[in-house]
Amino acid sequence: SAVISQKPSRDICQRGTSLTIQCQVDSQVTMMFWYRQQPGQSLTLIATANQGSEATYESGFVIDKFPISRPNLTFSTLTVSNMSPEDSSIYLCSGDRITSYNEQFFGPGTRLTVL
Amino acid sequence: AQTVTQSQPEMSVQEAETVTLSCTYDTSESNYYLFWYKQPPSRQMILVIRQEAYKQQNATENRFSVNFQKAAKSFSLKISDSQLGDTAMYFCALGETSGSRLTFGEGTQLTVNP
Repeated sequence: SAVISQKPSRDICQRGTSLTIQCQVDSQVTMMFWYRQQPGQSLTLIATANQGSEATYESGFVIDKFPISRPNLTFSTLTVSNMSPEDSSIYLCSGDRITSYNEQFFGPGTRLTVL
Repeated sequence: AQTVTQSQPEMSVQEAETVTLSCTYDTSESNYYLFWYKQPPSRQMILVIRQEAYKQQNATENRFSVNFQKAAKSFSLKISDSQLGDTAMYFCALGETSGSRLTFGEGTQLTVNP
């Protein structure tokens, strides 16, 4: 499976500011996804990052708050805009190659704390 | 809508023993994929095992095996010869055949005791 890296691995931010998280895959993937994982909880899908078109957002998540880019098949960014303490969470990206297994593999996550 | 339920928030097992984690799911799709992921304290999500719904044979990967009951929509994970390194949060996940979206269960925190 491919290797995914994320930057930054963690950050502490002030409310009202924005943070952009980068996700880099070491080989081409068909799909890329962004998840949020609040402490001690499960993963919630924020959006699917589509190459060359707008991201597809899940219910409860909007582009103005979580703008996403995917300029090519190996890179994506997620911006958390106008942050509040409720945005404190782990943000994970994942990639997927359409194979017979339909498997997703994950980056190490970005731990965000908003003060 | 797809749902995944893990009814055991926490479990513990002694080293070298066997433990089974439960998962039930609901979907309207006729074909789909099921996964167990492991998330140790490092946060890295690691795929443990996967099962294609159209395959009747239960998947196995070394010490990990599943009991897939399609009619009952049940997908349990058995860990044999538990090791200290198996201590982690385990997530059951359901995947669509198109679009690859995953729906995760709430997770089961497994602790392996020496």
